Amino acid sequence: DVKVTQSSRYLVKRTGEKVFLECVQDMDHENMFWYRQDPGLGLRLIYFSYDVKMKEKGDIPEGYSVSREKKERFSLILESASTNQTSMYLCASRGTGRGNEKLFFGSGTQLSVL
Amino acid sequence: AQTVTQSQPEMSVQEAETVTLSCTYDTSENNYYLFWYKQPPSRQMILVIRQEAYKQQNATENRFSVNFQKAAKSFSLKISDSQLGDTAMYFCAFKGTSGTYKYIFGTGTRLKVLA
Repeated sequence: DVKVTQSSRYLVKRTGEKVFLECVQDMDHENMFWYRQDPGLGLRLIYFSYDVKMKEKGDIPEGYSVSREKKERFSLILESASTNQTSMYLCASRGTGRGNEKLFFGSGTQLSVL
Repeated sequence: AQTVTQSQPEMSVQEAETVTLSCTYDTSENNYYLFWYKQPPSRQMILVIRQEAYKQQNATENRFSVNFQKAAKSFSLKISDSQLGDTAMYFCAFKGTSGTYKYIFGTGTRLKVLA
C-alpha cells in the first residue's frame, strides 16, 4: 500500500523561525497536497503540486511556501512562523487519471509555535 | 462554490449498535465524487468509502454503507455493528470532475463508540 511519511510527528518552534515540514511518498504519485487541520474548520488546502517544480495555491497560502524538487518529496515552508500557524499539518498524495481519486495521507505533524 | 456540511460535531453509539453520520453538500456539477474519511486517534486519515455521483447504487464496504441522495445532495454514512475501533473523527469530502484538483472537506464528526 501507499506510504506517505511526514518527517515529524510533533514540532515546537519559536515565533519568527523558519520551519520546514517534509513529506515523502513512495508510490510515484504526481499529485501532492498540504492541508491544515483545525478544530471546527476541517481540512483546508494550503498548496497543491501536480508535478516536480509545479505548484498551485490552495485556499490559505498566506504565510506558507512549498518546494517540490523531486517527485516523491513535497516540503511546506513557514518563512517566519507565527502563533496563528499553530496547527495540525497533513500531507496527502494521489495518482492521476480516473480511478485515482483516493487521497493517501500521512500521519500529520502537530506544530506548536510559541 | 462547492460546500460540504457536517451538522453533527459529536456523536456516540453503543458497541454493536448502528449509527448514521450526516453530510450534505452543494454543487452545480452533475458528476463528482464523494468520500468518507476516518481519522482515528493515531491521526492517520483512512478512506472508508467513496461514491461516484453517476452511479445510482449506494456504495458498501463491509459494515460501512452510504445513503446517497443526489437530488437532495445528501451523503450519509451508516456504520453497522459498531466496534470500539470505529471511534474516530469522520470527514465527508467532495471532489468535482470539472478540471479541479480540489477536495472540499466538511468540519468532521467525532464519533465515540461506547463499551
